[in-house]
Amino acid sequence: NAGVTQTPKFRILKIGQSMTLQCAQDMNHNYMYWYRQDPGMGLKLIYYSVGAGITDKGEVPNGYNVSRSTTEDFPLRLELAAPSQTSVYFCASRLQGAGEKLFFGSGTQLSVL
Amino acid sequence: GIQVEQSPPDLILQEGANSTLRCNFSDSVNNLQWFHQNPWGQLINLFYIPSGTKQNGRLSATTVATERYSLLYISSSQTTDSGVYFCAVHSGGYQKVTFGTGTKLQVIP
Repeated sequence: NAGVTQTPKFRILKIGQSMTLQCAQDMNHNYMYWYRQDPGMGLKLIYYSVGAGITDKGEVPNGYNVSRSTTEDFPLRLELAAPSQTSVYFCASRLQGAGEKLFFGSGTQLSVL
Repeated sequence: GIQVEQSPPDLILQEGANSTLRCNFSDSVNNLQWFHQNPWGQLINLFYIPSGTKQNGRLSATTVATERYSLLYISSSQTTDSGVYFCAVHSGGYQKVTFGTGTKLQVIP
């Protein structure tokens, strides 16, 4: 049981490049989340999904896109990367319901130069 | 959206000391969790506590939902307690999870 797996762990992009951050969970969780954490700051919600085919915006969605074609996978797409997107990106998942804990992946450290 | 503020933002403790971290939120919430982010960036769930008090070893947490705050108590602190502590609240029908501003704790020997 791997939990929440994020790839890659590190990536450097040039301004204007695009990439996809991968997130997969094997716990059959229906809720999945993407957060970004800037240096010395808290976590801000980018997008979330409550099930396959259903996604919604969080606090800071601009510059990102998501899709949820399966329960297991929730990729985050960066189009036209900008230096402001330099951050650590965390994916998380949980079961539906009020009492269900949030489980995090180990994060992807992204630098846009 | 809901605002979640934590205090203090920074805290330095001598090993063995006790501390209280506070989480205030601006609106009614369905749930609340406390997390520890270790110096390597890993996020670990400490408590799920929508109301009442829970204890786990040297850590305990209390949430008073009607007054919109939660407290995390750390007793007999150890250097391994260092890191950042976040509270996170569920709102919007349990779906959205919003994190607080964090408390950075450093425990020195």
